[in-house]
Amino acid sequence: KQEVTQIPAALSVPEGENLVLNCSFTDSAIYNLQWFRQDPGKGLTSLLLIQSSQREQTSGRLNASLDKSSGRSTLYIAASQPGDSATYLCAVSTGNQFYFGTGTSLTVIP
Amino acid sequence: DTAVSQTPKYLVTQMGNDKSIKCEQNLGHDTMYWYKQDSKKFLKIMFSYNNKELIINETVPNRFSPKSPDKAHLNLHINSLELGDSAVYFCASSQADRRYSYNEQFFGPGTRLTVL
Repeated sequence: KQEVTQIPAALSVPEGENLVLNCSFTDSAIYNLQWFRQDPGKGLTSLLLIQSSQREQTSGRLNASLDKSSGRSTLYIAASQPGDSATYLCAVSTGNQFYFGTGTSLTVIP
Repeated sequence: DTAVSQTPKYLVTQMGNDKSIKCEQNLGHDTMYWYKQDSKKFLKIMFSYNNKELIINETVPNRFSPKSPDKAHLNLHINSLELGDSAVYFCASSQADRRYSYNEQFFGPGTRLTVL
């Protein structure tokens, strides 16, 4: 069964710092991987989707990479801002099933 | 405007009651989902419907029954509510690019269910 882990569980950084969030999965037979952010009391907002054939995706200050063979994805956030404070979740799809990580709670200190 | 909407946003009810949560998406997607997020913020899929057909039915009590009247709607009905059902329930949708292979998911704002 697929297991998705996100480390660290919580991260606090000063504004302006570049940071990396990690996502690991146990079964490399994935269809795609998606990164989300969740603000307190809100739903999930899709950030980036990487198909299994892709190595990375970029959107603005965000860059997500995927290494299927090692079962890892990273989300790189450049020049962090207080508005980036949220919980970041990764989810892997095996085609007809989805597995979410437990999330990384990010706090960007002004 | 809103891509995936859910009603109600908050639901407080007594144990033993029956309640429904509604979900609608206007993205033209053919697949919709229900997720449960527990107190530890862990998200777990409950059901998935593709073109009104049940695709995923995880191990949830049969007190939970999804109903999909059309591709744009997936409602969740819960019978005989229990304390352990208290959680945030999220609806989501996506478009399959081939049978049972799903692309980017879009989530609703969630329904916070509290069972007293």
